[in-house]
Parts: sequence; structure tokens; C-alpha cells
Amino acid sequence: DQQVKQNSPSLSVQEGRISILNCDYTNSMFDYFLWYKKYPAEGPTFLISISSIKDKNEDGRFTVFLNKSAKHLSLHIVPSQPGDSAVYFCAAPGYGKLTFGQGTILTVHP
Amino acid sequence: DVKVTQSSRYLVKRTGEKVFLECVQDMDHENMFWYRQDPGLGLRLIYFSYDVKMKEKGDIPEGYSVSREKKERFSLILESASTNQTSMYLCASSLLPSANYGYTFGSGTRLTVV
Repeated sequence: DQQVKQNSPSLSVQEGRISILNCDYTNSMFDYFLWYKKYPAEGPTFLISISSIKDKNEDGRFTVFLNKSAKHLSLHIVPSQPGDSAVYFCAAPGYGKLTFGQGTILTVHP
Repeated sequence: DVKVTQSSRYLVKRTGEKVFLECVQDMDHENMFWYRQDPGLGLRLIYFSYDVKMKEKGDIPEGYSVSREKKERFSLILESASTNQTSMYLCASSLLPSANYGYTFGSGTRLTVV
């Protein structure tokens, strides 16, 4: 039972354009969400988070949007840079642990 | 900065071997976790621990066990390695009981079972 889903395995964008990564969840009890970024041969690192009391959180080039009624969140990266090429995971905490999505491989072409 | 150190970056083991993956954190965190990462499946929780000598099964505990004898060290044990346990293994720790504050991950151990 995949409670956090990232249905796009990969995304390819041109440098300078917007990257939009999507995440859906099924558990209505989730009230906080996090995005992690992972480079090959490294551990995931925290990127940005959002609480369910908000519908948007922004940090520099990264913005996360939350649509509670649709149980959907998205991460926007503007403008995209080649160094953003990585795997992005969304995650939701519950019962003291994080449940992760399958990840989306983002490739930003120069 | 919190540091989570995994003892090996790459390991190659034979089928049937007993394998130990070690993880140490240096910030007195209560909570520690073991995940595996596989393409298309994301990060899946194997085991976690909230305190010394305490352990809880995650989503995919079969074929694994853990040991937490000291607060800073959390070991993952593959009792009899099999080829389907070839994966990237990631250890993480967190300070607070709530996972809202996220985890700090180690760099991972790429295990290949042949």
C-alpha cells in the first residue's frame, strides 16, 4: 500500500526553465510533507517542507505547493540549473517515521 | 552539523553470508533508521529504533535484523544474504520523536550479493 506516490519516474528540462515534480498521498492523516534531494552515491538531503496549515512554502528557487483536497503536492524549481539534476523524493511523517515516495529523476540539460 | 557515518561505501558478499552494516551518529540522537533504496521503489523502511536495545519493524523487515547496543550505533544484519538484497542501504537519525523535522542520512552502502 503506497501511501506516498510519485508517478513520474523521470523528468527532463532545459536549463533556465521551470521543473515541476509531483507527489500524491492517500493518508488524510498526513499533515506535514518534506522534499529530499539525492545525488548518486550520497545520502538524501532535506530540501524544503510544508505544513498542512499552508498551501505554499517558498525558499529561494524552490517552492512547494499543497492541495489538501486533491491530496497532492508539487515542487517547483525556477529557474532550473544543471546542478539540480538529482533524484527527488517527497516524504510524509507519521508514527515517528517518514514514508517516502518512489522518487523522480530530474535531469536539467545545459 | 550532525554526522551519520556508514562504515562501508561498497560491499560485495556471497549468497548465504551473514552481513553486518554499521551506522554511527555523533549527535546523541534518540532515533535511528535503516532504509533501502531501489529504482522505482523509492526508500523503504527496514527497521527503526527509538532507544538503546529497542527496535521496531518497518515495512520490509523480512531477512533482516538489527542491533542497538549503544545510542550512537545502529547495525543492520542480513542473516543469510540473498541476491534480492542487492541494494543501496541508507542509515538515518533524527533528534526528535516527531519525524516532522526530518532525518539526517548517511552516504549509503551499496551492497552487491553474488
